[in-house]
Parts: sequence; structure tokens; C-alpha cells
Amino acid sequence: GAGVSQTPSNKVTEKGKYVELRCDPISGHTALYWYRQSLGQGPEFLIYFQGTGAADDSGLPNDRFFAVRPEGSVSTLKIQRTERGDSAMYLCASSPQGGEQFFGPGTRLTVL
Amino acid sequence: AQKVTQAQTEISVVEKEDVTLDCVYETRDTTYYLFWYKQPPSGELVFLIRRNSFDEQNEISGRYSWNFQKSTSSFNFTITASQVVDSAVYFCALSETGRRALTFGSGTRLQVQP
Repeated sequence: GAGVSQTPSNKVTEKGKYVELRCDPISGHTALYWYRQSLGQGPEFLIYFQGTGAADDSGLPNDRFFAVRPEGSVSTLKIQRTERGDSAMYLCASSPQGGEQFFGPGTRLTVL
Repeated sequence: AQKVTQAQTEISVVEKEDVTLDCVYETRDTTYYLFWYKQPPSGELVFLIRRNSFDEQNEISGRYSWNFQKSTSSFNFTITASQVVDSAVYFCALSETGRRALTFGSGTRLQVQP
């Protein structure tokens, strides 16, 4: 079956611009996660949704970062006023209730 | 706070050698989960194993085996008879009870030479 998909696969933007990154979870998975991975590092947790609500957003670095999952399926990670330090691979994962997290291919964000 | 340490940044072996990837973790919880993920050059993280903190039995899956020791807070991963296709970055991760977020180590890059 289809895995987690993320679009776009690559995003190049200029400092100060707004970007949206999309995640389509595996069908039927109730939980959805966003992580950020910098080069040479392990993924860092950003936010976790259970259904439509953010159950844990403790990893969001500041108020420029926001994520939504309005219908409990697709999620969008939104970054305002992008900075060069936001450049990274943004990973999405989904899981069934209490199950393992399955990751998507990621969106590579480059802020010039 | 939880922490995962993978002290080996990069390991290079020749095909058919056995190799062990080390993982040491820190947590104040008595109940937690440990994971290993593989990240091949294509970039997508692949789930390998999840282990409950109450289950210290070692696990074997084909050429892969895992050694969980609570006494030393370690969860090491061994690949027997390595193959070129095993070349990837391997991440160890931890999640605490009631918190689904994974805390990852910095990864170990494994290069298997033919």
C-alpha cells in the first residue's frame, strides 16, 4: 500500500518568505508527526497530532512554526519569515494507535 | 530529560564482516521504548525494531540482532555477515511513556566495502 508522502520534495525560498510543507499519512493512521533533520544529525521532534489536535507541540522552535491537521488526515507545516537556519530536511511520520512510526521521504527546505 | 548517544560516527567494514553499532540512552522513566531505524542513501527512514523497557530478551531477525541491557542503559545492534546493501546511516531512538515523540541519536554511518 501507499506509504507516507510529502510534497514538495524540494523547496528553495528566500529569507523572510512564508512556506508550507505538506504531509499525506498512511491511510487509517491516527497519529502524525513532524521532525526536522539537519545535515549529519538525527531527526528532532517538532510536533505530534492525534486526530485533528496537536497532542504535543513542545518541539516547535518558535512561533514562526505552526502546523495544522484540520480533518485528521493531511497535515501542513507552516513556517513564517523563514531564516537561513531553517534550512533542513523536514520529515513527516504517521502511526496507527500505539504503533511504530513510518516515515515519509521528507521535504528538503533551503532558505537562501 | 532523555538523551540517546551513538558514539560511533562512522564505521567501515568489508563485506561478510560482523559489525556492532552502539547505543547508550538516558531517561528518568522506568517505562520506555527503544528503536532502531535505518536511513539508506535514498533518505527515507526505515523502521527496524521497537523494544519495550520491560523486555530485556535479545532479539534476532535474520542477520540482525539486538542486545538490550538495562544495567548499562545500552541497546546495541549487530549485523552479521554484512553486505554492501547494509550501507546506510543507522539511528537509535527512545520514547518515554505517555510521550510519542522519538528522541534520536546522531546516527552511525556504516560503509560496507565489497
